[in-house]
Amino acid sequence: DTGVSQDPRHKITKRGQNVTFRCDPISEHNRLYWYRQTLGQGPEFLTYFQNEAQLEKSRLLSDRFSAERPKGSFSTLEIQRTEQGDSAMYLCASSLERQWGDTEAFFGQGTRLTVV
Amino acid sequence: GEDVEQSLFLSVREGDSSVINCTYTDSSSTYLYWYKQEPGAGLQLLTYIFSNMDMKQDQRLTVLLNKKDKHLSLRIADTQTGDSAIYFCAENSNYQLIWGAGTKLIIKP
Repeated sequence: DTGVSQDPRHKITKRGQNVTFRCDPISEHNRLYWYRQTLGQGPEFLTYFQNEAQLEKSRLLSDRFSAERPKGSFSTLEIQRTEQGDSAMYLCASSLERQWGDTEAFFGQGTRLTVV
Repeated sequence: GEDVEQSLFLSVREGDSSVINCTYTDSSSTYLYWYKQEPGAGLQLLTYIFSNMDMKQDQRLTVLLNKKDKHLSLRIADTQTGDSAIYFCAENSNYQLIWGAGTKLIIKP
């Protein structure tokens, strides 16, 4: 397993367009997270899945954002009608919930979104 | 609310020890983490400590946890140029990680 992979690595889009990002977690990991990171800041939590169920969404995730994990494996994050404020690095992470608690979360390299 | 705080910059000479400090707020956190982020790269887990431990050592890395003061530190012994990066402290709060803004470690020759 090569770890968490994200696609694309970079995306430049015009304001108002829709974009979709994909994340492939580590195969046996049942938890998947989306975070957003802007320059000079730590990541901010957006949402998380336990298998295919989306269990929590941050208030940062406006109605323009939607995430899915249809079969409990890969996940997609879609942003509709992008705005310049959406420009950020979007990070995906996965972890394995064990009886005694999670293992650490492993991060992908992120998708850098630039809205022009 | 939840807040994790770190100094933004730390400058050390090559070969010296680096100590990066962090304060957190959620006393119920079970794990505390240190991640490293190099330019253009993803977040790499360096080490973590379980909340019932005071210290964890892993090669050049030493983590100290003071639960009473909610203070976490990362010591890097014999700092090398390859240690140049941003170091993030994070605490787990239920299902998510709460992050500091990161400390940029600058290595002087």
